[in-house]
Amino acid sequence: DAGVTQSPTHLIKTRGQHVTLRCSPISGHKSVSWYQQVLGQGPQFIFQYYEKEERGRGNFPDRFSARQFPNYSSELNVNALLLGDSALYLCASSLGQGIDTQYFGPGTRLTVL
Amino acid sequence: KQEVTQIPAALSVPEGENLVLNCSFTDSAIYNLQWFRQDPGKGLTSLLLIQSSQREQTSGRLNASLDKSSGRSTLYIAASQPGDSATYLCARGNSGYSTLTFGKGTMLLVSP
Repeated sequence: DAGVTQSPTHLIKTRGQHVTLRCSPISGHKSVSWYQQVLGQGPQFIFQYYEKEERGRGNFPDRFSARQFPNYSSELNVNALLLGDSALYLCASSLGQGIDTQYFGPGTRLTVL
Repeated sequence: KQEVTQIPAALSVPEGENLVLNCSFTDSAIYNLQWFRQDPGKGLTSLLLIQSSQREQTSGRLNASLDKSSGRSTLYIAASQPGDSATYLCARGNSGYSTLTFGKGTMLLVSP
């Protein structure tokens, strides 16, 4: 079975640009979460979606937005990129009910110049 | 604010040693505690999940314990191998929706 997949694997943008990151969850998983991991730090929670509805949001500015599609895949959008947005962006999927192990994808490495 | 702290930040051991990684958290109203492994530049691999009602979980050479009253979890690795070299992250589950708060990780190097 395929695990969580993310695209692209690497991305280079300049300040002020916009970026869209994509995630496909494990088959049967209805919840997708996004995390940002800056070099040398642990991942920080950005969003969680379940059944296409936002179920949680971390402490990130409104430049960050996300959505989940009917097939449970998800997009993370970041507008007006800043140098500090350079990070590994991780997507995690889970069944979305009860005590739930999170399964992480390989991440998208975003570099903002 | 819910925080997770991991000590030590880095650890270097010779192959074959048993070792313990530490994780502490604020707020004992924890939902679950999960340990992950991360290889350089890669995503996270789940190692063990301990529910709040449990005290420990085991998988192969790994054993994780949870003490909610003291706000601590430990990951015990028996007979370490060079392939165990990676960063180990602990994360507390904050609700039934399984959002996670991570520590900064412990970077482990096992030398042959």
